[in-house]
Amino acid sequence: AQKITQTQPGMFVQEKEAVTLDCTYDTSDQSYGLFWYKQPSSGEMIFLIYQGSYDEQNATEGRYSLNFQKARKSANLVISASQLGDSAMYFCAMRERASNDYKLSFGAGTTVTVRA
Amino acid sequence: GAVVSQHPSRVICKSGTSVKIECRSLDFQATTMFWYRQFPKQSLMLMATSNEGSKATYEQGVEKDKFLINHASLTLSTLTVTSAHPEDSSFYICSASLQGGREGQPQHFGDGTRLSIL
Repeated sequence: AQKITQTQPGMFVQEKEAVTLDCTYDTSDQSYGLFWYKQPSSGEMIFLIYQGSYDEQNATEGRYSLNFQKARKSANLVISASQLGDSAMYFCAMRERASNDYKLSFGAGTTVTVRA
Repeated sequence: GAVVSQHPSRVICKSGTSVKIECRSLDFQATTMFWYRQFPKQSLMLMATSNEGSKATYEQGVEKDKFLINHASLTLSTLTVTSAHPEDSSFYICSASLQGGREGQPQHFGDGTRLSIL
């Protein structure tokens, strides 16, 4: 079964507007971590934000925030005040406690295109 | 922040050539390194998990003899694509985890290697 599901293959957003990228996950572990990465066309993977399963507050990092709804098993990424440089592919990933070697499961990704 | 260096960034070579890709953690010790393969517009596919001083753990369907992984030190892992063929052309990217890192410690990625086999 797919552990991470990203249902939006591509999205367009107007510059300065906010965009929400969906991510749902599937795990039977009580302890797990959720990560979002950004991959520009150049290929490097840039870590954006982390949410732990026991964290009571939603994670925030600058313009990035994570809307964590544990009961729904969703961890949506919100990018506020979009910039042209935000155009990239975004991946949601999960690490489960059962994975002692820090292995990540990645979603299929969402391509975001910011329009001027 | 933690930096992972991957070299080379791009390789173009003839079919039958063996290609070695290096992944180095520059400012931290990485007990575990990971090798991924990525096709255009697709997600990262984990190929293998590399632990320092031991044999790599390969994911199902990945040929061990085709993709040789060596993790000789806490800062260096290498992936060798042996006798490469055009179907091996892809984007290969490595990542590393901090030794003894906390659960929320992210994997730190190299910049990737674009491999093109003619």
